[in-house]
Amino acid sequence: DTGVSQDPRHKITKRGQNVTFRCDPISEHNRLYWYRQTLGQGPEFLTYFQNEAQLEKSRLLSDRFSAERPKGSFSTLEIQRTEQGDSAMYLCASSQGGVDTEAFFGQGTRLTVV
Amino acid sequence: AQSVTQPDIHITVSEGASLELRCNYSYGATPYLFWYVQSPGQGLQLLLKYFSGDTLVQGIKGFEAEFKRSQSSFNLRKPSVHWSDAAEYFCAVGGPENDYKLSFGAGTTVTVRA
Repeated sequence: DTGVSQDPRHKITKRGQNVTFRCDPISEHNRLYWYRQTLGQGPEFLTYFQNEAQLEKSRLLSDRFSAERPKGSFSTLEIQRTEQGDSAMYLCASSQGGVDTEAFFGQGTRLTVV
Repeated sequence: AQSVTQPDIHITVSEGASLELRCNYSYGATPYLFWYVQSPGQGLQLLLKYFSGDTLVQGIKGFEAEFKRSQSSFNLRKPSVHWSDAAEYFCAVGGPENDYKLSFGAGTTVTVRA
């Protein structure tokens, strides 16, 4: 069990470019969550998956954001036409689901839009 | 709606002194409560959690927290702080009613002076 893995750790992109982040959850964890953390704030929920099904999207997730979890394993978060306001740490977490389970977080992807 | 308030933005404590971080929550059902720690540029590490049962919970690194339903609080304590405890601490609330999506406080930054 290697924990939740996120790639890349850091991404610098020009405004208007598209970016994609990847999250590999702990194996056999059926729930996967994406959070966004801006400087000086706590993480905010973006979206989550139960296996391959995306069950909820926060209103923070504009139409420029899309997330997938094909085959219920790894997940990708894509941001199209990035804006400076998208600069943040994007955190992925996974859990076994069911009762009394906690989420384990990855190291995050730090996005800087210039 | 669920929410978390961490009243203290920044706390400075001397090495070897005791530490208490405050957390107040709002949640419509029995809360699941968590404390996470984050070092600069890193993801979140779970310190401890409360689901049910004994209201005083022990965590890693010598931390403990007490759930007080009457005060809607879940304060984190450590009897003797080490320099390595300097970090940002986040309190979070969630539960089965909302598929364990977490709401985080804004965090408390702890500085440890020699």
